[in-house]
Amino acid sequence: GAVVSQHPSWVICKSGTSVKIECRSLDFQATTMFWYRQFPKQSLMLMATSNEGSKATYEQGVEKDKFLINHASLTLSTLTVTSAHPEDSSFYICSARGRGGSETQYFGPGTRLLVL
Amino acid sequence: SQKIEQNSEALNIQEGKTATLTCNYTNYSPAYLQWYRQDPGRGPVFLLLIRENEKEKRKERLKVTFDTTLKQSLFHITASQPADSATYLCALGPRDMRFGAGTRLTVKP
Repeated sequence: GAVVSQHPSWVICKSGTSVKIECRSLDFQATTMFWYRQFPKQSLMLMATSNEGSKATYEQGVEKDKFLINHASLTLSTLTVTSAHPEDSSFYICSARGRGGSETQYFGPGTRLLVL
Repeated sequence: SQKIEQNSEALNIQEGKTATLTCNYTNYSPAYLQWYRQDPGRGPVFLLLIRENEKEKRKERLKVTFDTTLKQSLFHITASQPADSATYLCALGPRDMRFGAGTRLTVKP
């Protein structure tokens, strides 16, 4: 149980285009989803926290107009990188936490983004 | 500001030995602490959770301790195997998870 999927697993795009990444909880309802970014040999950096049906809370320094997050249902959250630039190239990972005060976050496999 | 430090960036040990990883934190009083394993190019995988009122927790060859006075958690892997080679991350809860930078463990045969 507690499986989280991400799609796509990798994407290459041209500078200036927008990229959407999907995060799905497959066998549980995720009241809260988190988006992280990870650069090579560095730890996970929390970008934003989203609760189903409400606006995401962004961490300091993360541009909410550039990284659009939508948590439309209890099993799906999307991250859209708008007008992507090479410096946005990174490994993006989502995680999900279920109902009832569940403490454990379950992570997706990650999406590697390369912006040319 | 909150700070989470994992003792070393890399740890190399011989197969069969016990690996001990350290997680220290400051300016925070977590209700619980979690350990994750991350393989290259993959998302973290949950291993163990220990609450503030628990001193120790075990799962198979894994053992975690939590000392809220020292603000430190120790993560042990006994009888280590090459398959245990990975990066291990500690994370503090509850509101949102803050991660340490990780320790890259290499177990040599």
